[in-house]
Amino acid sequence: KNQVEQSPQSLIILEGKNCTLQCNYTVSPFSNLRWYKQDTGRGPVSLTIMTFSENTKSNGRYTATLDADTKQSSLHITASQLSDSASYICVVSARSGGSYIPTFGRGTSLIVHP
Amino acid sequence: EPEVTQTPSHQVTQMGQEVILRCVPISNHLYFYWYRQILGQKVEFLVSFYNNEISEKSEIFDDQFSVERPDGSNFTLKIRSTKLEDSAMYFCASSDTRVSEQYFGPGTRLTVT
Repeated sequence: KNQVEQSPQSLIILEGKNCTLQCNYTVSPFSNLRWYKQDTGRGPVSLTIMTFSENTKSNGRYTATLDADTKQSSLHITASQLSDSASYICVVSARSGGSYIPTFGRGTSLIVHP
Repeated sequence: EPEVTQTPSHQVTQMGQEVILRCVPISNHLYFYWYRQILGQKVEFLVSFYNNEISEKSEIFDDQFSVERPDGSNFTLKIRSTKLEDSAMYFCASSDTRVSEQYFGPGTRLTVT
């Protein structure tokens, strides 16, 4: 069964600090891995999309890495801001024939304190 | 900036009733999706839609669910006979290709009583 596990479940950091969120998956056959930011009560917002051949992708202060061999990804947030407080969700899609089925992680809840 | 819109923002219905959730995807997008998120749980994929057909669907998307693109702009999710466990936030999303960035709407909170 395809699974996506994220850690930590929650994280509290001070404004200006960096942090790294982890995602491990057992999705197969792998198609792509996405990181989303979800504010409470809102729809997810895409941060990065990575395919099998990509091992790093940046979007401003967000940098995602992918190790397809170990089936791990990380999201690094640099110089955190109060507005970074949100849930960060890892989504891995499997490709079966012409179909792409996404599996969502439970997310990491990040709280940035002043 | 173009955005996905959803109506209503909150729908309350009685168990057994039919509901239709509406979405207006971004105008030049070709792929459309529905997801749900039960309160406090992870987002779950329901269905994807392309070229007026369902492309993929999850195990959740059983016979009580259906999707339709009734005109050139709207994309709807119908739940025929709602159950208490259908209470959730339902998100619509769209993308221009199958593997490109998906843009999510603000969601419709469905409450079944």
